[in-house]
Amino acid sequence: DTEVTQTPKHLVMGMTNKKSLKCEQHMGHRAMYWYKQKAKKPPELMFVYSYEKLSINESVPSRFSPECPNSSLLNLHLHALQPEDSALYLCASSQEGTYNEQFFGPGTRLTVL
Amino acid sequence: AQSVTQLGSHVSVSEGALVLLRCNYSSSVPPYLFWYVQYPNQGLQLLLKYTSAATLVKGINGFEAEFKKSETSFHLTKPSAHMSDAAEYFCAVSRATGASKIIFGSGTRLSIRP
Repeated sequence: DTEVTQTPKHLVMGMTNKKSLKCEQHMGHRAMYWYKQKAKKPPELMFVYSYEKLSINESVPSRFSPECPNSSLLNLHLHALQPEDSALYLCASSQEGTYNEQFFGPGTRLTVL
Repeated sequence: AQSVTQLGSHVSVSEGALVLLRCNYSSSVPPYLFWYVQYPNQGLQLLLKYTSAATLVKGINGFEAEFKKSETSFHLTKPSAHMSDAAEYFCAVSRATGASKIIFGSGTRLSIRP
């Protein structure tokens, strides 16, 4: 299985809602990533997990809360988001000890009303 | 610090013509370089990667890229464009192995004229 899956595909939420994005991979990768991508822009790194521990936080607002329950799963918990947080959220994974070749999921299209 | 510059935010070619997407990098250490493609409303797919094994790298869908250290370039080419090649292309650089940040270029949108 060489796939990264993400659910849901689309999400619409209000500014007072709490929701979660989920990402899963079964490639045995021990590094997982969250990116945010606005229209016509490259992906922006948000968080990196290595061996289930948070290793990079790119100064992301606390209304985004990542979680890595095990080596195959990555969650992004959302609370009190703003309309400007509307974007495509991409998950990726990579094998430790390689050239940091990252495999991306299809993304979750998030709209904050 | 590392950086990537993609020349041309939009490139348009005729079907069957040569595709050339330009990428220049800046890195203080030997880099690892990647080209990703993104179709509308989809994630990124790796086209090819340079990891210092060979300067001419062949990827999927008939694409290839050549690493030129003297020019700090890693341009992406395809001899004959197909309509299905229309997408956004990102060049990216990493200097480290393992879990670390990769730096993306700003992207080039490729359009194919019938």
